[in-house]
Order: sequence, then structure tokens, then C-alpha cells
Amino acid sequence: DIQMTQSPSSLSASVGDRVTITCQASQDISNYLNWYQQKPGKAPKLLIYDASNLETGVPSRFSGSGSGTDFTFTISSLQPEDIATYYCQQYDNLLWTFGQGTKVEIK
Amino acid sequence: QITLKESGPTLVKPTQTLTLTCTFSGFSLSTSGVGVGWIRQPPGKALEWLALIYWDDDKRYSPSLKSRLTITKDTSKNQVVLTMTNMDPVDTATYYCAHDQGVHWGQGTLVTVSS
Repeated sequence: DIQMTQSPSSLSASVGDRVTITCQASQDISNYLNWYQQKPGKAPKLLIYDASNLETGVPSRFSGSGSGTDFTFTISSLQPEDIATYYCQQYDNLLWTFGQGTKVEIK
Repeated sequence: QITLKESGPTLVKPTQTLTLTCTFSGFSLSTSGVGVGWIRQPPGKALEWLALIYWDDDKRYSPSLKSRLTITKDTSKNQVVLTMTNMDPVDTATYYCAHDQGVHWGQGTLVTVSS
């Protein structure tokens, strides 16, 4: 089965900072990767699908890139409402795997 | 408008079998390409995928839990049922169902395993 290694596990940044999270797959998953945002007590919210496509209604400061085994998620200018835990998720071969999550906090 | 909602027991005893139902609206599991999945999240921990079922009854399971899981669908009732056998306290988690494209999730249901 495919493993997803997400880093860092947590980060602290200032409002307006650029934030980057990475996810590495244990094998080639093409672009079968989603990025989610989860706030406490809530279900995850899809932000990016197929590695780089912005879900409808999601602010343009969120972006994703990568293919194969290495993927990056970026918040171009961190806002207070972006405080949350972010997860990558692969869906190659109709099997899913989530990364371990990155908790984003305001410095 | 697509909605999903999980239902089932909030408390189960160790060794018991858990049965959870996902009732959905706004789409049909008889439509080509459509699937529904189950995901869980222990308190304070990461998301863990459990199982998926597709419109053509194709079923996929997490390799680590495959022996304990069964996923079925009732297209006429717009429901997907997940059973998990031999429950243990480490299975305490919020259990979510979701449309397979990832946009639409249920609110989740907390299941506690305790004697």
C-alpha cells in the first residue's frame, strides 16, 4: 500500500507569511492527490484536487503543485482564518491514504 | 445539494461489531463513476481511510483493516453501511462518510469503545 509522508507536522507563521507543506508518496501516484483543511470539530474541507486544481470557492492564496511522488501545498499569504490542520490524500488505484497532517498556527 | 449523514451507536463494548449507516441525498449510487467512502479520526489524531464502495459494487478496503471491514450499499434507500468487527478501545474515533470526489462529507459521528 502507498504511504504518504507529510511535513512538517506543525508550523508557526505570521500573518502574511508564505507557508509551504510537502507530501511525499512512497510510489508514483501521478497527480492523484487532494489537499484538505480541517478545523477543530469539523469535517475536512477539500481545497485542492488532482494536485493543483483549486476547488470552487476556495481563495486563490491556496495552491498545490507536483506530480509523481513529490507534492507541495502553499498558502501565499497566511490569514488568521487559515489556522487549521492540513492533510494530503492520495487516491491512486481507488485506494486512499492520508498524510499525518500539518497543524498551522499563528506566531 | 449533496448531503451525507452518519448514524449508529455512540458506545460499543470491546469485541462487539460496529454497524454504521451513511444516508445521503443529492446523488445516486447507481450513477456511473460515483462512490462513497468511510474515514475515521481518533481524538487528536490524523484521518484514516477505511473503505470505499462504487456504483458498480466495486469495494476497496484499507489493507490494515480489511479483515474486519465490510461495506455494502442499498441504492434504493440511498444508504451505505459499514461494519467493523472485534471493536477495541483503539477504534474510538469520529467516523465520517464522504462522496468519493472529496467535496462532500458528513458531519461525523463519535464512536467510543469501552466496557
